[in-house]
Amino acid sequence: DTGVSQDPRHKITKRGQNVTFRCDPISEHNRLYWYRQTLGQGPEFLTYFQNEAQLEKSRLLSDRFSAERPKGSFSTLEIQRTEQGDSAMYLCASSTIGSSGYTFGSGTRLTVV
Amino acid sequence: GEDVEQSLFLSVREGDSSVINCTYTDSSSTYLYWYKQEPGAGLQLLTYIFSNMDMKQDQRLTVLLNKKDKHLSLRIADTQTGDSAIYFCAESMGGGSYIPTFGRGTSLIVHP
Repeated sequence: DTGVSQDPRHKITKRGQNVTFRCDPISEHNRLYWYRQTLGQGPEFLTYFQNEAQLEKSRLLSDRFSAERPKGSFSTLEIQRTEQGDSAMYLCASSTIGSSGYTFGSGTRLTVV
Repeated sequence: GEDVEQSLFLSVREGDSSVINCTYTDSSSTYLYWYKQEPGAGLQLLTYIFSNMDMKQDQRLTVLLNKKDKHLSLRIADTQTGDSAIYFCAESMGGGSYIPTFGRGTSLIVHP
């Protein structure tokens, strides 16, 4: 296993367009987390899944954002009608139940122009 | 990261020790973490400490926890240029979800 993979690494989109990011966690990890990181800030929690169930969402996750993990393996994060304020690095992490550590992916850098 | 605070920058000379400090507000924090982020990369877990511990050492890294003052520090001995990165302090309450709250990160610059 090569760790947590995120695709694409970079995405440039025009304001108003929809974008979708994918995260492939470490195969035996049943928990998957999405974070957003803006320049000069630490990662901010967006949502997390345990298997296919989305168990918690942050208030940062507006109704334009939706995340899925249909089979409890990979996850997608979709942003509809992107705004310039959505420009950020979107990080995915995974862990196992009861684990206190996470493995982060390299992130998807979104630029909305 | 308003619940976790760190100084933003630290500059040290190669071979010296680096000490990165962090304060947190949530007294119920169970786990405290240090992550490293290199440019363009995700976060790498360096080490973590349970709240019932005072110190943890792992090779060149020493974590000190003062639970009374809610103060966490990371000491890097014999700092190398490869240690230049952003270091994030994070805390979580444990329990079922272990969702950490991160600080803004301390940018460590190691110069020759």
